[in-house]
Amino acid sequence: QKEVEQNSGPLSVPEGAIASLNCTYSDRGSQSFFWYRQYSGKSPELIMFIYSNGDKEDGRFTAQLNKASQYVSLLIRDSQPSDSATYLCAVKEGDYKLSFGAGTTVTVRA
Amino acid sequence: DVKVTQSSRYLVKRTGEKVFLECVQDMDHENMFWYRQDPGLGLRLIYFSYDVKMKEKGDIPEGYSVSREKKERFSLILESASTNQTSMYLCASSFASSGFQETQYFGPGTRLLVL
Repeated sequence: QKEVEQNSGPLSVPEGAIASLNCTYSDRGSQSFFWYRQYSGKSPELIMFIYSNGDKEDGRFTAQLNKASQYVSLLIRDSQPSDSATYLCAVKEGDYKLSFGAGTTVTVRA
Repeated sequence: DVKVTQSSRYLVKRTGEKVFLECVQDMDHENMFWYRQDPGLGLRLIYFSYDVKMKEKGDIPEGYSVSREKKERFSLILESASTNQTSMYLCASSFASSGFQETQYFGPGTRLLVL
């Protein structure tokens, strides 16, 4: 199984601040990367995907990919209490499988 | 909207029982997956299926089997439940396309307690 590493956190940020989440992966051939959000007791839901180097923005979320460094990150701007969740980084393996990191727990303080 | 449903949200079983977890998706997805999720260990793939009657072992298949008789339905079977199989079980599905953006959609999960 390919390795996907995330800081487990918890990451605590004040409301309105930027939350920065990091993910590294071991397979240099990986092409597609996904961020999922998981609220406590719920199942993961897709936030966004990225497959090109650089930044990709979707609302308050920005994913950043650097394939040379094998690094993908997620920025949450203007963090809200509703953003408090565990964020899972996933890397696609081949045609079918995703390898998941253990997740970073984010707490947004009101 | 993709809809993936799981037969139970909570289950309590006894050690040694045979346990069936069912998953149904309504988006005509070719691929279906079973994961378990434990604190600190993240999501671990048990089995997946890329077509009817086809199955592939994931990273932790021991103690589990699966069945896929119809495209929309994927069952996870615990042949003889043990306490170390107490966990959250998540089903997911995806299209067969190898496109970069194709990802997996998850069901609500089944929290299984084996006593």
